[in-house]
Amino acid sequence: GEDVEQSLFLSVREGDSSVINCTYTDSSSTYLYWYKQEPGAGLQLLTYIFSNMDMKQDQRLTVLLNKKDKHLSLRIADTQTGDSAIYFCAEILTGGGNKLTFGTGTQLKVEL
Amino acid sequence: KAGVTQTPRYLIKTRGQQVTLSCSPISGHRSVSWYQQTPGQGLQFLFEYFSETQRNKGNFPGRFSGRQFSNSRSEMNVSTLELGDSALYLCASSPDRGYEAFFGQGTRLTVV
Repeated sequence: GEDVEQSLFLSVREGDSSVINCTYTDSSSTYLYWYKQEPGAGLQLLTYIFSNMDMKQDQRLTVLLNKKDKHLSLRIADTQTGDSAIYFCAEILTGGGNKLTFGTGTQLKVEL
Repeated sequence: KAGVTQTPRYLIKTRGQQVTLSCSPISGHRSVSWYQQTPGQGLQFLFEYFSETQRNKGNFPGRFSGRQFSNSRSEMNVSTLELGDSALYLCASSPDRGYEAFFGQGTRLTVV
């Protein structure tokens, strides 16, 4: 079945790197996503990776995918106070249309 | 391009009433999906519509229904509202080619 797990909280200092982790159970995942949600707002698509890739970099964001361990991570370089938000990983399964299965979300707090 | 537009942003309804929420997708997108977000259950998939047809359905009772119009705008309806239906309802639109899902700001429904 589908299950996506994340740790609940992460606290970092401004300027440091943040690493948010996610594990998933279904090996038929096609695409894996990272979304950001600020208070009172919808979900902002940050980046996504196709399941046949190991890494994707987009400016300050680096996504790493370990298919063997079913582990996905999001690294944010030079973390800023504006990065404080909840981060969700999500997956789409092969043949599942556009149905996203989300993780529980990781609350990132950036301290000065 | 304009983003995904959801109306209204906020709603307060009484138990037993019904409610209709609206979503206008990004121009050219024919796939519209709906999600419910609550503190207890997180983000859960409700249903997806593509070209006026329901393509996917989540595990919600029949009180939750939706439809899509020929211009790809979608509505979801919840009948006989319960207190537990209080949530942020998010709509996402996706392009025909590709698997990105872009979310609106959501409709915050409060049932009293």
